[in-house]
Parts: sequence; structure tokens; C-alpha cells
Amino acid sequence: RKEVEQDPGPFNVPEGATVAFNCTYSNSASQSFFWYRQDCRKEPKLLMSVYSSGNEDGRFTAQLNRASQYISLLIRDSKLSDSATYLCVVNMMDDMRFGAGTRLTVKP
Amino acid sequence: NAGVTQTPKFQVLKTGQSMTLQCAQDMNHEYMSWYRQDPGMGLRLIHYSVGAGITDQGEVPNGYNVSRSTTEDFPLRLLSAAPSQTSVYFCASSYSFAGTEAFFGQGTRLTVV
Repeated sequence: RKEVEQDPGPFNVPEGATVAFNCTYSNSASQSFFWYRQDCRKEPKLLMSVYSSGNEDGRFTAQLNRASQYISLLIRDSKLSDSATYLCVVNMMDDMRFGAGTRLTVKP
Repeated sequence: NAGVTQTPKFQVLKTGQSMTLQCAQDMNHEYMSWYRQDPGMGLRLIHYSVGAGITDQGEVPNGYNVSRSTTEDFPLRLLSAAPSQTSVYFCASSYSFAGTEAFFGQGTRLTVV
């Protein structure tokens, strides 16, 4: 079983749609959690950290459920510019473990 | 502010050749790391360093060496290239290891034939 698992997608949604991505992790001792965004043929960049209380940044909301070892990312009012691959990242003691990513395409 | 700079951006090697991927950061970060990214696999950690003079193995270290003689530089050496090492390589740095943002270089697309 992979340590960090994501639905690979692709998710194809129209502009203005709400879309949610899920991520599960296997190590209950994981300490910190992130969502990164990666555009095609580019490097990953931090989208947002994920806190136990949940956090929101504009149209983006991240949630963490430690009991179920589950992280989510919700994107509201999708824009064309949101098209990218979204990587779930879990910090496990001495390294960061990445999910394989979920690909999102937002269409006009 | 350059951030993390990786060179080269593209490279083709023949099986058995060696080469060094360069990585430099100008943010005075202590923690640096190398990842490889393969389709459907996500980024996998090759080696990392928590400071000058200190390196350690990650998830997939075989076939690679690293050194950290300065805070700024963290080169990755392929000892004897194999087709299985065809991948996209990313260098990253962060202020500390746990719970801080990682900044990535632009990546090196390596093909081993």
C-alpha cells in the first residue's frame, strides 16, 4: 500500500464548478500536511498547508481528519487557471511523502 | 532572488555514463533534498541533507551519491547511468525539515539510452 494515496483523476469540470480532491495517508504519526500545485512540465509549488481545524484561502478549503487519516481539498468557483495537478504531501518525521497527484482540467 | 537553481534542464546520457546534476539555493536554507518524479509514482526522495556536511538516504538512493560541502550547493551524482534512471529530477530546499514550505528548482529531464 502506498503511504500517500490520491485519486489520479483526471477531473474534467466546467468553469464555476466546485471540485473536491481526497488523499489518504498510512502513517498515523505523520506530523504536517500540505497541498502543492504542479503545472504541466513545471516544478511543484505550495498551494496551502492543512491544519487540524481546517483552513481556507479564498476559493480553496483544506481539511484534515486525523482519525481517518484523510486530507481533502475543495476548490469553489473553478477557473481555467486552476487546471493543474494537485499533490498531497505528508511530512513523516524525516522526509516529505508525496501522493502521485490528481489532475484537474477546467473547461470553458 | 533566484531561489533554487538546477542545471542542466535537459540531459541525455548513454548507459554507464556518469554525470552530476547541480543544485544551488540562495535562501540560506539548511534543508535540501533531491526527488525523482515518474509517471503515476509521485515524487520520491533520493537523498537529503539537514545542513552542510550532513547527508542521508531517502526512499530510492541506489545509484546516486550526494555531498553538501556548503549551505548553498547540493549536487546529485549518477554513478553509472541506467535506463531505469530516466526521470525528472527536482531539487528542493526549505528553512527546516518539518512543516515548512519546500521550494523546488525547475527540474532536470534526464533520459538514459
